[in-house]
Amino acid sequence: GENVEQHPSTLSVQEGDSAVIKCTYSDSASNYFPWYKQELGKGPQLIIDIRSNVGEKKDQRIAVTLNKTAKHFSLHITETQPEDSAVYFCAASIFGGFKTIFGAGTRLFVKA
Amino acid sequence: GAGVSQTPSNKVTEKGKYVELRCDPISGHTALYWYRQSLGQGPEFLIYFQGTGAADDSGLPNDRFFAVRPEGSVSTLKIQRTERGDSAVYLCASSLGTSRDNEQFFGPGTRLTVL
Repeated sequence: GENVEQHPSTLSVQEGDSAVIKCTYSDSASNYFPWYKQELGKGPQLIIDIRSNVGEKKDQRIAVTLNKTAKHFSLHITETQPEDSAVYFCAASIFGGFKTIFGAGTRLFVKA
Repeated sequence: GAGVSQTPSNKVTEKGKYVELRCDPISGHTALYWYRQSLGQGPEFLIYFQGTGAADDSGLPNDRFFAVRPEGSVSTLKIQRTERGDSAVYLCASSLGTSRDNEQFFGPGTRLTVL
């Protein structure tokens, strides 16, 4: 089955700097890659997603890139703000996002 | 509008007892998912429903775990003979259920503690 690895597990950046989180997946059949943000005591919330027919997608300060050949995908957050501090999860799924396999998460700290 | 709700928010039980966890999805969402999240880990897929039927239950760890969605809306995750290792946050999510638009909306979870 699918396996998703995520790193780093913890990331600390200064406000205004960029943050990059990287993930790899194992199943070449995966074709949908969402990213979630989870704040303390809440469920994960989708922040951006990318499908396998696209190499890059951007939404304001966040962007995601996908390298299908290498089975890598990454989240980029620019101009980080303290409210970006949370746990971020990458995930992968086949057939449009039903059975979804999550990475272990990255705890992001943005220092003011 | 209302999001996904889960009850109870916290459940403490003793080893060997039976528990039921409830999920109320967003109205109109045909797909419903259950995940288990242990401390410091990502959500672990358990099962998902399309309508009333379990489309994929490959993540259920053993036969002590069972989930139902009899009318295609509310779902109940049932755990028999609970063990201390079952302690975790159980998350429910729902989505429109089409491959073109399948954003999953998560509830706040039920924190299960087995003593």
